[in-house]
Amino acid sequence: GNSVTQMEGPVTLSEEAFLTINCTYTATGYPSLFWYVQYPGEGLQLLLKATKADDKGSNKGFEATYRKETTSFHLEKGSVQVSDSAVYFCALSAIFNAGGTSYGKLTFGQGTILTVHP
Amino acid sequence: DAGVTQSPTHLIKTRGQHVTLRCSPISGHKSVSWYQQVLGQGPQFIFQYYEKEERGRGNFPDRFSARQFPNYSSELNVNALLLGDSALYLCASSLSRVVDEQYFGPGTRLTVT
Repeated sequence: GNSVTQMEGPVTLSEEAFLTINCTYTATGYPSLFWYVQYPGEGLQLLLKATKADDKGSNKGFEATYRKETTSFHLEKGSVQVSDSAVYFCALSAIFNAGGTSYGKLTFGQGTILTVHP
Repeated sequence: DAGVTQSPTHLIKTRGQHVTLRCSPISGHKSVSWYQQVLGQGPQFIFQYYEKEERGRGNFPDRFSARQFPNYSSELNVNALLLGDSALYLCASSLSRVVDEQYFGPGTRLTVT
């Protein structure tokens, strides 16, 4: 089945440091890949996405490139801020067929807690 | 435009009780999916509803059920609550059942004592 593995956290950085959060996946076919962010006490917000190999998703200074050859989608940011402190989830979306119908679902990694200190 | 809304925000129930959680999708979105997020883990897919029918289901027991209304809002029902059902329940909406971009609500925090 499909699965997503994220680097274990928590990750603690100083402001303006470089961030990398590793994500690898296992899937059949060609899934879309996502990064979601969850701030304390809130739901998930879509941060960025990529739908095919070599696509680069980017938003708010964060970037991730869909690497099919290494089945990876690592999240990077050149200079983190205190406001980036949150839990980051890597996810893949795949289409399933069941009972004559099809549907899409997200499979998430376990999440990586990021804390940025001033 | 309003995003995905969920109610209530928090609730506390006792083992064996029943609970109903509600979700309103983004205007124009016809698909609603439900996810369970246990503390410290990523969300797990429960099921997806599209055009008032269940289209897909994750590995959850029959105690979990849902329905979708003509206005595309949805209710999640859980019967015979167990302590292990304590979690954040997230609703996500998307344009159709196969569109991969899903938008999440703030969630309902359920505590079972």
